[in-house]
This record gives sequence, structure tokens and C-alpha cells, in this order.
Amino acid sequence: KAGVTQTPRYLIKTRGQQVTLSCSPISGHRSVSWYQQTPGQGLQFLFEYFSETQRNKGNFPGRFSGRQFSNSRSEMNVSTLELGDSALYLCASSLVPGWGDYGYTFGSGTRLTVV
Amino acid sequence: DAKTTQPNSMESNEEEPVHLPCNHSTISGTDYIHWYRQLPSQGPEYVIHGLTSNVNNRMASLAIAEDRKSSTLILHRATLRDAAVYYCILKNSGYALNFGKGTSLLVTP
Repeated sequence: KAGVTQTPRYLIKTRGQQVTLSCSPISGHRSVSWYQQTPGQGLQFLFEYFSETQRNKGNFPGRFSGRQFSNSRSEMNVSTLELGDSALYLCASSLVPGWGDYGYTFGSGTRLTVV
Repeated sequence: DAKTTQPNSMESNEEEPVHLPCNHSTISGTDYIHWYRQLPSQGPEYVIHGLTSNVNNRMASLAIAEDRKSSTLILHRATLRDAAVYYCILKNSGYALNFGKGTSLLVTP
């Protein structure tokens, strides 16, 4: 069974540019969540999608956005990149959104470096 | 979200059991207790979760106190590959995973 696939694995962008990251969940999983991990702030929740609808959003500026497609694949976009956006971006999929009785499967992440 | 408290770091010898504690005194009746771990350069990995009763799986055991104010993740025989940051998280419907700082486990040969 394929795991959660995130592409690309590594990305280098310049300040002011925008970036799109992709996540393919485990087959049959309909919920996709995104997290940002930095050395200073640790793992922070960005947003969660289910059935193409954003169900939950973390405390990030509007430059961070996402969407989910009908096949449950998800993308996140960061516009007007800042140096502080350099981080590991992790995607997690789950069978059922938000429910405590199910675990999440994480991808290996996309390492974004903003220069 | 209810908060959890974990030691910053722990150390164990290889092939010995490891007991990783977690305090969650403000847990609500519908909070599930989840454990994840993150190995270096990887995404977090689900370990185990439970609500009230102790749970076992191939990776670990979860012991939950009767009052649910604390829990312990038990690795029965630590290996070098178990060296990771372990996160204890309370999960309820509609809320994201709040990872906190976790416990950094060092396993020495």
C-alpha cells in the first residue's frame, strides 16, 4: 500500500516568489492536513481538507492557502515568500477528518528554502 | 486544546524497556491519547492511540491511568532505530494534532 507522497522533496525559491506543494494521500483516505515544521516553532498546523472543503485552519497568514481535488490529492500554495517560510512542510492523510479514533499517516515532507 | 507535559529528553540502553511518561491533567472525556514519533529527517509516524483502556500493537503499548490524567508509552525492547522525538497528543473531534515539544529519546548500545 503506497504511503503519503509529497512532491517535490526539496525546493529553493527566492523571496517574493510563490510556491505550490503537492500531496497524494493514501488510497481511500479522504482527509489531508498540512503542517509546517521549523526548528524554532516545531510542528504547527496549517489546514485540513476533506471532500474538497477546508474544515480547519491554523494561525497562519492568508499567504498560505490550499485546496483539495476530487481524488483527495491536495496542494498548498505560499505566495510572496519570506525568509521565515523556510521550513519542512508535511502532509498527513487520515481516513476520517478530525476524529480522535483514527491515526494520521505523514509523508516525508517538502523541504522549502527561501533565499 | 488540552495540554500535555512530557520530559524534554530520556535515555535508554539498547534492548531494555523504555517507559515514556505523559501528563494530561486537563484531559476531557472525549479526548483520545495519541502518540507519534519522528525519526531524524522523516515525517512523524503514528505509534499508538487509546481512550480509556490500555492498548497494545506491534510497535508499543500504551498504559492509561485510571483517572486518565497521565499515560505511558512503553517500548518493550528499545533498539537504535527507536531513537526519535516522541509526541504525546490529545486528539478530539475537529481539532488538529498539537505536537508540542515531545521527548527526545536517546538509545545507547
